[in-house]
Amino acid sequence: TQLLEQSPQFLSIQEGENLTVYCNSSSVFSSLQWYRQEPGEGPVLLVTVVTGGEVKKLKRLTFQFGDARKDSSLHITAAQPGDTGLYLCAVGSGGSNYKLTFGKGTLLTVNP
Amino acid sequence: DVKVTQSSRYLVKRTGEKVFLECVQDMDHENMFWYRQDPGLGLRLIYFSYDVKMKEKGDIPEGYSVSREKKERFSLILESASTNQTSMYLCASRGGRDSTDTQYFGPGTRLTVL
Repeated sequence: TQLLEQSPQFLSIQEGENLTVYCNSSSVFSSLQWYRQEPGEGPVLLVTVVTGGEVKKLKRLTFQFGDARKDSSLHITAAQPGDTGLYLCAVGSGGSNYKLTFGKGTLLTVNP
Repeated sequence: DVKVTQSSRYLVKRTGEKVFLECVQDMDHENMFWYRQDPGLGLRLIYFSYDVKMKEKGDIPEGYSVSREKKERFSLILESASTNQTSMYLCASRGGRDSTDTQYFGPGTRLTVL
């Protein structure tokens, strides 16, 4: 059983459209992170959410942690080509939540 | 800015060769990690280290070993490369022990084993 399920797996949209991607699990987590990985680069941390129901905004990106802390969503408003990349969610795992376990990601392409 | 550098962006090796992938971070971080990233499988943890000379197996350590002789450097070793080790290898470092601390990744090494 996969710890984290991300959907959709692929998403191709036109510049200016809005979109939402999801990260779901049957487990409860104390925190969750979102990373973005641009082509040819390593992942870069976007946000960490720790409280159930928490909403964080980063310019045109809105992140929400589910009330039950089992899921999270990332909404992008007016997508731009620079938003193109692989969006990964990750949660702490292992003893003392030391390790990070990643979802398989959503590959977003924003066409000009 | 935190910088994590990896010795090569692209590497081509032959089956059976010994391969060294080097990673250096410049922020005095105690924790360093090696992942591999494959289409459809995501990022998987190979090994990690929480201090000099300390190492722990991750989720897929088979066929790999690591070395951490200095705090800033964490090396991944493929003792005898095989074609199923063709992958993107990502190194990361982190200052704190908790997974909520920011993990900084290098740009990756795309390894092809022929």
